[in-house]
Amino acid sequence: KNEVEQSPQNLTAQEGEFITINCSYSVGISALHWLQQHPGGGIVSLFMLSSGKKKHGRLIATINIQEKHSSLHITASHPRDSAVYICAVRNTGTASKLTFGTGTRLQVTL
Amino acid sequence: DTAVSQTPKYLVTQMGNDKSIKCEQNLGHDTMYWYKQDSKKFLKIMFSYNNKELIINETVPNRFSPKSPDKAHLNLHINSLELGDSAVYFCASSQEGFGDLRAYEQYFGPGTRLTVT
Repeated sequence: KNEVEQSPQNLTAQEGEFITINCSYSVGISALHWLQQHPGGGIVSLFMLSSGKKKHGRLIATINIQEKHSSLHITASHPRDSAVYICAVRNTGTASKLTFGTGTRLQVTL
Repeated sequence: DTAVSQTPKYLVTQMGNDKSIKCEQNLGHDTMYWYKQDSKKFLKIMFSYNNKELIINETVPNRFSPKSPDKAHLNLHINSLELGDSAVYFCASSQEGFGDLRAYEQYFGPGTRLTVT
């Protein structure tokens, strides 16, 4: 079992829909990252958080440390949001190491 | 201005060959990484260097040898390439150790798609 689990694996939504991607982890962490990988292959860091909630534009990330769970929300989704979204955790006590989830492939259609 | 750059972007080679991938960052970061992304898009860390010193080596075959000539560069040399080495390799960098969580954000290079035939 992977230390970091994401759901769903694949998600198709219509433009304008509210989207939620979930991430659960089984280890102690110092931080959790949400990354976006576009079809072209490049990886961009969206959020890094250790508690609470962060918002950037139409994207919102939340984390519940007690429940070892994080969610990434996209409001008013758009076809340009189509990408793979990857959750990664930074384990406590392990310098610089990220452990990745398997990713959620999002397709937003018109 | 490219923050983290990798060369080459594509690399096609035959089994048994030796090849290198270069990575450079101009962010002034002190920590650099190599990640491997397999055909199922799963990312896994291979190596991490902090101030030119190896701090993470994740059960990677000895055929893979990272080299960090300075803080801004982390190259990956692969000997005796095998079919299973075909993947996309990502370099990344971050600034560690300031106690500020923002300093741990990682910046990724564009990736190098390695195909071994």
